Amino acid sequence: GAGVSQSPSNKVTEKGKDVELRCDPISGHTALYWYRQSLGQGLEFLIYFQGNSAPDKSGLPSDRFSAERTGGSVSTLTIQRTQQEDSAVYLCASSHDRDEPQHFGDGTRLSIL
Amino acid sequence: DQQVKQNSPSLSVQEGRISILNCDYTNSMFDYFLWYKKYPAEGPTFLISISSIKDKNEDGRFTVFLNKSAKHLSLHIVPSQPGDSAVYFCAASVSNTGKLIFGQGTTLQVKP
Repeated sequence: GAGVSQSPSNKVTEKGKDVELRCDPISGHTALYWYRQSLGQGLEFLIYFQGNSAPDKSGLPSDRFSAERTGGSVSTLTIQRTQQEDSAVYLCASSHDRDEPQHFGDGTRLSIL
Repeated sequence: DQQVKQNSPSLSVQEGRISILNCDYTNSMFDYFLWYKKYPAEGPTFLISISSIKDKNEDGRFTVFLNKSAKHLSLHIVPSQPGDSAVYFCAASVSNTGKLIFGQGTTLQVKP
């Protein structure tokens, strides 16, 4: 596809369950980012992948959060033992290189009951 | 500690007039700045960027101004159109770090 694709678009789950969110970046983009937006807030950086380098995980809020990027393309963000405060829109972005504009997907709206 | 601030949560302007959206930052290491526009239920869309070696960048109806000494940037939209109604986010980064730090957003309403 032409843009960043994220799935699912919506996810409702019970507290304590694990969730996996998927991101398909724009083809050829070497950099991939995850952000989240809580209600009424700006976007909060979570993690950043650049090529084959070790990811920058400095924004992950707890060890319940992890992310992988396989084959330099698709990425999954995993949240284990979800809590209600994890409810947010999770946004993925990619860029051709790290100092170029980031292009965002439409996000996954995660609701923890 | 909010490193990027958009102090106006909302702005309303008349169609055809100028919209000015403001953003302040505290980290003097930031050297790359961007503006994004966001419609409900969609991801942010990149609008325009500026690096710290410039003080102005223009793209059609959109112009971004950077005042490094004041740690302030602004986005001017002229003339404003009803389709410009959206939430606008400014973002900043330090070169080679990748991550963007976003402001809280300003909701712009352009009235016909």
